[in-house]
Amino acid sequence: DVKVTQSSRYLVKRTGEKVFLECVQDMDHENMFWYRQDPGLGLRLIYFSYDVKMKEKGDIPEGYSVSREKKERFSLILESASTNQTSMYLCASTQGGLWELFFGEGSRLTVL
Amino acid sequence: KNEVEQSPQNLTAQEGEFITINCSYSVGISALHWLQQHPGGGIVSLFMLSSGKKKHGRLIATINIQEKHSSLHITASHPRDSAVYICAVRYRRGGGADGLTFGKGTHLIIQP
Repeated sequence: DVKVTQSSRYLVKRTGEKVFLECVQDMDHENMFWYRQDPGLGLRLIYFSYDVKMKEKGDIPEGYSVSREKKERFSLILESASTNQTSMYLCASTQGGLWELFFGEGSRLTVL
Repeated sequence: KNEVEQSPQNLTAQEGEFITINCSYSVGISALHWLQQHPGGGIVSLFMLSSGKKKHGRLIATINIQEKHSSLHITASHPRDSAVYICAVRYRRGGGADGLTFGKGTHLIIQP
């Protein structure tokens, strides 16, 4: 079975801290995505990557950056966390043209 | 950008009832996904379809490309079906990778 693993299920950070959220998939998928999920808004795309060292902005990239140095790992970085970044963050991966989506368990971030 | 509307937003039903969740979208798509999210849990892909109908156990998904509409049906519903069901559409974007837009989800509760 494909597994998408997110490094932390729950995090509490302070305003201004740098936050790293890591995502690892074990099936050699080309495409990886970071979403945030908020009540009443659904899932919104932050960034995605179609290859190593390649990234594209999604719908809400402001305040975030990403890194994909290895194919299996896609990191989401909050350079200076703010309270409005309190949310559930979900990582997903897909293989090339097949596009069946595989999600991680999610990371619930609270910024105080 | 594709707009995705799901209905109903919330649905409470009795065990054994036949359940229908609807998804409409605004722009032609290449595929549509139905996803399931249990409370506190990650998201699981139920179906990916681009035409016709698919069935898996008690779940049936249909899509009408001309009407830009899809339905997810649950037969003989059970309390363990209680979850948020999310529709997502994949569409062609200009200049590169496909886009993926999510509905806001339908919160289903099945009472014993």
